[in-house]
Amino acid sequence: AQSVTQLDSHVSVSEGTPVLLRCNYSSSYSPSLFWYVQHPNKGLQLLLKYTSAATLVKGINGFEAEFKKSETSFHLTKPSAHMSDAAEYFCVVSDRGSARQLTFGSGTQLTVLP
Amino acid sequence: GAVVSQHPSWVICKSGTSVKIECRSLDFQATTMFWYRQFPKQSLMLMATSNEGSKATYEQGVEKDKFLINHASLTLSTLTVTSAHPEDSSFYICSARVGTGGNNSPLHFGNGTRLTVT
Repeated sequence: AQSVTQLDSHVSVSEGTPVLLRCNYSSSYSPSLFWYVQHPNKGLQLLLKYTSAATLVKGINGFEAEFKKSETSFHLTKPSAHMSDAAEYFCVVSDRGSARQLTFGSGTQLTVLP
Repeated sequence: GAVVSQHPSWVICKSGTSVKIECRSLDFQATTMFWYRQFPKQSLMLMATSNEGSKATYEQGVEKDKFLINHASLTLSTLTVTSAHPEDSSFYICSARVGTGGNNSPLHFGNGTRLTVT
């Protein structure tokens, strides 16, 4: 079985300050992990993915995430927030050992203050 | 990059009527597409897996006679909400997986369809 927990439903940062969106997962096998972003009334856009290569993954728009197996975490970070980063972010886990589909986290709403 | 087109982006219909939503893979073939439902300020809920040339696989609790899925070609899957009721109002999103890496390959999503049933 697999699950994913996004620890914060809302995160608010000031423009130009760092962003940290937290994600913890559980998986019976070696998971693949993804971060997606969703702007209002839009579909989801892939930010980055981890699939057992380098543990530090760089994505689009300056985002990156680090896979930490010992902590079962895959937190999303960005050094400096931009107003356009305001959106909903989803952490997603895929258990490669099974035929199940992706499991989505509950989402984190990021607000960027001017 | 891979593009998934979903149409319409929004639709308003009267209670009792049916609504069809299309999901197309524009520059790749998708033998499998996925349909999700998203309630306000909530995550995506997988409704069904659409398989080209065969019956869709529905998740537990999703009425297959209510949400008809057809995947007649490698680039098109449709979701028809039959005899819609106000409680069917929601944001519906389709997705498709690019590549042959199985669950390692990321999903590409359509822009969603906002359905409002009056």
